[in-house]
Amino acid sequence: RKEVEQDPGPFNVPEGATVAFNCTYSNSASQSFFWYRQDCRKEPKLLMSVYSSGNEDGRFTAQLNRASQYISLLIRDSKLSDSATYLCVVNGENYGGSQGNLIFGKGTKLSVKP
Amino acid sequence: NAGVTQTPKFRILKIGQSMTLQCTQDMNHNYMYWYRQDPGMGLKLIYYSVGAGITDKGEVPNGYNVSRSTTEDFPLRLELAAPSQTSVYFCASSYQTRTTEAFFGQGTRLTVV
Repeated sequence: RKEVEQDPGPFNVPEGATVAFNCTYSNSASQSFFWYRQDCRKEPKLLMSVYSSGNEDGRFTAQLNRASQYISLLIRDSKLSDSATYLCVVNGENYGGSQGNLIFGKGTKLSVKP
Repeated sequence: NAGVTQTPKFRILKIGQSMTLQCTQDMNHNYMYWYRQDPGMGLKLIYYSVGAGITDKGEVPNGYNVSRSTTEDFPLRLELAAPSQTSVYFCASSYQTRTTEAFFGQGTRLTVV
């Protein structure tokens, strides 16, 4: 099982649609979880942290299920500007060679069309 | 606000050449990282540093070296460049490693021919 796995994508959705991204992680000792956004040919930027109780930031909602080792990101009322690649990121607690560092999924590409 | 600055933005190297990718941050972050991102792949950690004078290997360190003589600077050295090192390289920094945001530089696109 890969350390951080995401939906393969790409997701092509119309403006206004609701889209959900899923992510699973393999290390049950991981303590910190994030969603980063990466625009084409740009650097990743933090979108939001993911908390155990779930958290919301405007149109974005993140959920964490520790028992299933599953993270989700929901985007409501999609905008053209949401088009990007969304990276699921997990703290690599106790991973050899990545002690305590961030482990990135391959990302899911979202394309929002008019 | 400069944040994390990487130079150069683009570089073409011939096989066997060497180069240093520069990275500097002005946020007084203790933690700094080097990642590489191949097309369609996630970011892979090359080396990281938890403070000046301290560095450690990440997931894919072979063919690279780093140093951290100051809090601000974390250069990545490529010795004997190989085509497999063609990638986009990102430097990042954070205040802590586990719970805080990592800030990334704009990346260096390296092609080895």
